[in-house]
Amino acid sequence: GNSVTQMEGPVTLSEEAFLTINCTYTATGYPSLFWYVQYPGEGLQLLLKATKADDKGSNKGFEATYRKETTSFHLEKGSVQVSDSAVYFCALAPWGTGGFKTIFGAGTRLFVKA
Amino acid sequence: DTGVSQDPRHKITKRGQNVTFRCDPISEHNRLYWYRQTLGQGPEFLTYFQNEAQLEKSRLLSDRFSAERPKGSFSTLEIQRTEQGDSAMYLCASSLGTNRDTTNEKLFFGSGTQLSVL
Repeated sequence: GNSVTQMEGPVTLSEEAFLTINCTYTATGYPSLFWYVQYPGEGLQLLLKATKADDKGSNKGFEATYRKETTSFHLEKGSVQVSDSAVYFCALAPWGTGGFKTIFGAGTRLFVKA
Repeated sequence: DTGVSQDPRHKITKRGQNVTFRCDPISEHNRLYWYRQTLGQGPEFLTYFQNEAQLEKSRLLSDRFSAERPKGSFSTLEIQRTEQGDSAMYLCASSLGTNRDTTNEKLFFGSGTQLSVL
């Protein structure tokens, strides 16, 4: 079946540090891959996505590259800010399906210290 | 775009009571989803509507759960005879979906209703 595995948190970094949150997936075919972010007290927001192999999604300084050969979609940011403190969810949607088939990882909490 | 709103934000109830949650999606969105999220886990799909039709239900949705979207706008999720295991965050999301291009469907989430069953 389809599944998403992401690194356990919490991840604690100092401001301006480099961020990597690992995400690997299991799926048949060619799923779409997503990163969602949940700030305290708010709903999940789509951060970035990639729909085919070697695509790079990017937004707000965050990047993730769809790697079919390693079934990975790691989230990176070169210099984190305190405002990036949130929970990050990796997700996949099997090819040709809608939102109801989206499968979410367990989430990784990020704390950024000033 | 006023976003997806959910009411109430928090609900505390005693075991055996019935509870009802409401979701107001983004006005032009035709699809509406309900998810459940427990502590330390990602959202799990419960059910979804396209307009007023309930098209898919997860096996997580026991017969104590019922969802409606009577006019294709707001939706309600009712849990009857609540159990302690129902304690979770219930999330609503909406999207503008078409059958022709599901890969670009973008979900917009509300802030959720936190249910605590004592």
